[in-house]
Amino acid sequence: EAGVTQSPTHLIKTRGQQATLRCSPISGHTSVYWYQQALGLGLQFLLWYDEGEERNRGNFPPRFSGRQFPNYSSELNVNALELEDSALYLCASLRDTQYFGPGTRLLVL
Amino acid sequence: QKEVEQDPGPLSVPEGAIVSLNCTYSNSAFQYFMWYRQYSRKGPELLMYTYSSGNKEDGRFTAQVDKSSKYISLFIRDSQPSDSATYLCAMGPSARQLTFGSGTQLTVLP
Repeated sequence: EAGVTQSPTHLIKTRGQQATLRCSPISGHTSVYWYQQALGLGLQFLLWYDEGEERNRGNFPPRFSGRQFPNYSSELNVNALELEDSALYLCASLRDTQYFGPGTRLLVL
Repeated sequence: QKEVEQDPGPLSVPEGAIVSLNCTYSNSAFQYFMWYRQYSRKGPELLMYTYSSGNKEDGRFTAQVDKSSKYISLFIRDSQPSDSATYLCAMGPSARQLTFGSGTQLTVLP
């Protein structure tokens, strides 16, 4: 069974630009979670999608947004990038518990 | 006070040692407890998953949950250099709502 996949693996942007990150859940999983893992800060919950709907969001500004497609894949968009958005962005899908992808490392210069 | 507290380490042990990793929490509604292992620059990998109190063993790994003390532990027996990673505890009222510890960095020296 293929795991959670994310693309791209690395992304370099400059301040003020927009970033789009993509995630494909494990086949049969309908829920997708996004987390930010900044250096030294642990995993911070960003967004939860289930059956195409946003179910919950963490304490992040509105410039962090996303969506879930009919095939349950998901996209995270970060607008007006700031230097502190540099982090590893992790996607997870849910069955009995959350299973993580390899992450997208975003660097904002 | 954070909802989940985890000693960040770093923790360094010789090969073959028994490693004890711990987390404390404050929310009595937490019923689901997980341990993830994260190698450098990779995504977290699920190691152990327990529901409510008790012990669970899987090979060299044992997870313990003490809900009365709001304390969970992960024990690694006969530690190997390949166990060198960051270990994250995670817990919540359901697997849909997890709060993560900040991670403990473990190095097992050959």
